[in-house]
Amino acid sequence: AQSVTQLGSHVSVSEGALVLLRCNYSSSVPPYLFWYVQYPNQGLQLLLKYTSAATLVKGINGFEAEFKKSETSFHLTKPSAHMSDAAEYFCAVSDSGTGNQFYFGTGTSLTVIP
Amino acid sequence: DSGVTQTPKHLITATGQRVTLRCSPRSGDLSVYWYQQSLDQGLQFLIQYYNGEERAKGNILERFSAQQFPDLHSELNLSSLELGDSALYFCASSVGPGVPPYEQYFGPGTRLTVT
Repeated sequence: AQSVTQLGSHVSVSEGALVLLRCNYSSSVPPYLFWYVQYPNQGLQLLLKYTSAATLVKGINGFEAEFKKSETSFHLTKPSAHMSDAAEYFCAVSDSGTGNQFYFGTGTSLTVIP
Repeated sequence: DSGVTQTPKHLITATGQRVTLRCSPRSGDLSVYWYQQSLDQGLQFLIQYYNGEERAKGNILERFSAQQFPDLHSELNLSSLELGDSALYFCASSVGPGVPPYEQYFGPGTRLTVT
């Protein structure tokens, strides 16, 4: 069975500060990992994905994530937070099974303080 | 804009009723996924179709059913609605199964309120 755990349902950072959103995965096979962002009243938008190529993955809007197998982690970072980054962020794990089902974490709400 | 469309945007109905949610995938995508998002349950996978066939089932209640039509649009039918069914229902689409998995593109969602 595959699952992800997002530590911290709410994270607040000051504008210009480092953003760090945590995601740990559990998987019996090599995982494929994704980060999605959801802005208020909108659907989910793909930020970045790890598919076993480079362990450091760069995404849109200045976000990146590093796959660390030894720590079973895939934390999302951004060097300098912007007000427009305020949103809900979801980590997801998938497999190469029958339907490529995605298993989403419970989400982390990011607040950016001016 | 992800290219995935969902109708209606909002739906208000009474307990015991039946509703149908519609989804059109991105052009070229053959897989459609349905998710339910609620405050207490988070984002729950319901069901997936690939090229008209059911491919995977998640936490979908027996009162719910779905299908994918030859033109690849999909409908999610919710019947005998209960207050607890109030949620955001998302549709997502992808090219199809693959190794590595293709990303899923999400629609804007349908907000269902059961009164």
